[in-house]
Amino acid sequence: DSGVTQTPKHLITATGQRVTLRCSPRSGDLSVYWYQQSLDQGLQFLIQYYNGEERAKGNILERFSAQQFPDLHSELNLSSLELGDSALYFCASSVGFGGRNIQYFGAGTRLSVL
Amino acid sequence: GQSLEQPSEVTAVEGAIVQINCTYQTSGFYGLSWYQQHDGGAPTFLSYNALDGLEETGRFSSFLSRSDSYGYLLLQELQMKDSASYFCAPSGGSYIPTFGRGTSLIVHP
Repeated sequence: DSGVTQTPKHLITATGQRVTLRCSPRSGDLSVYWYQQSLDQGLQFLIQYYNGEERAKGNILERFSAQQFPDLHSELNLSSLELGDSALYFCASSVGFGGRNIQYFGAGTRLSVL
Repeated sequence: GQSLEQPSEVTAVEGAIVQINCTYQTSGFYGLSWYQQHDGGAPTFLSYNALDGLEETGRFSSFLSRSDSYGYLLLQELQMKDSASYFCAPSGGSYIPTFGRGTSLIVHP
C-alpha cells in the first residue's frame, strides 16, 4: 500500500459526460501528480500541484482540469468525454519536487467511456 | 526536444540476468528513475541515479552515463514475480520524470 488513495476504482460513463476523479496523497506529501495511461500512449504526465498551486503542466487537454485543495487532496475533472479518454488515470504524490523525487502512485481509476 | 527509448519487450528465464537499456534526450537533465509496474497495478519506484555509475539495491542495479544519455536496469536472479513493465523516467529541469511506454519483461520458468 503506497498510502495514496484514489477513488473511484472504476468509472463507466458515456461520451459527452463529465466525471471527477479524486486523490488523497500520502500523509506529509505536498506534491500531487496526475497521469494518464493508455495502451498506445504509455504513461503520460498531465499536471502537477504543489501545496495547492499548479506547478507544471504536461499533455493535459483543455477539456481536463484539476485542483488541489487546502487539505492537499486533489481532483481531476474530465469533461465532454470522448471514447479516446478511456484509460487508467493515476495519481502520485511526493514530498517535494526536486532531485531524488520519489513518486508514490495510487491504484488508479479505470475510466471507460462508452 | 525530448525523447526516450527503451525496448518494448524483453524475455528471459528464471534465475538469469537481464539488462533493460534506456536512452533519452531531456532538456536540463537532472536524474534517471526506474519504476516497476505489474499488470493492472500501480507503478512503484525502484531506483534513481543522478550521478554516473552503478546503484545497487538487492537484486536490482541501475546504471547511468550522463555523457552518453544512457542508463540501464540490471535484474539478477530473475524470479517469476519480476514479470512486469519497467519504465525509465528521466527528470529534466522541472524535476518531473518523463515516462514512456516502458519495457515488458517476461520471465519464463
